[in-house]
Amino acid sequence: QKEVEQNSGPLSVPEGAIASLNCTYSDRGSQSFFWYRQYSGKSPELIMSIYSNGDKEDGRFTAQLNKASQYVSLLIRDSQPSDSATYLCAVRVNFGNEKLTFGTGTRLTIIP
Amino acid sequence: GAGVSQSPSNKVTEKGKDVELRCDPISGHTALYWYRQSLGQGLEFLIYFQGNSAPDKSGLPSDRFSAERTGGSVSTLTIQRTQQEDSAVYLCASSLRVSDEQFFGPGTRLTVL
Repeated sequence: QKEVEQNSGPLSVPEGAIASLNCTYSDRGSQSFFWYRQYSGKSPELIMSIYSNGDKEDGRFTAQLNKASQYVSLLIRDSQPSDSATYLCAVRVNFGNEKLTFGTGTRLTIIP
Repeated sequence: GAGVSQSPSNKVTEKGKDVELRCDPISGHTALYWYRQSLGQGLEFLIYFQGNSAPDKSGLPSDRFSAERTGGSVSTLTIQRTQQEDSAVYLCASSLRVSDEQFFGPGTRLTVL
């Protein structure tokens, strides 16, 4: 089982709709969770971080964390063509183990 | 303010040559991380620095890979006797302190012929 799993997609969503991206992780001790956006040929850009169970909202983005079920998701409301990118889920297992373990990413395409 | 910078942006080298990749973190960031991203492999951790020390080198793929950081700022990743499987984008990230959010630089695309 991979440490961090994402559906590779591609995920196609109409403009203006909600895009839902999911990520599961295997280590129950994981403490910190991050979503990065990566445009083709560019480096990852941090969108959201979440550390506690529940929802965290930032503009059109909402991150959701459920540690009991070991999943974290990202919702993008009012999707725009500029949201078309690969979204990477990253997990840090615990404080003192500082590396991020990444999923392979979900490719999202927003259809105008 | 300025983000993480990396140089060169592209490097083409011949198999067997040594290469040095440089990372300049965001000013004031004490932690620095190296990752590698290759097709089909995703993003993998190589090494991180807290100040000038490297508590975790577990991701370095072989002893041909080494990294150092001096003055708590710039870091250099060195790959000796490059192999074709070393071809990848090498990404550097920094964070204000360890356990803080990590911000990535633009990367160095390494091609080994």
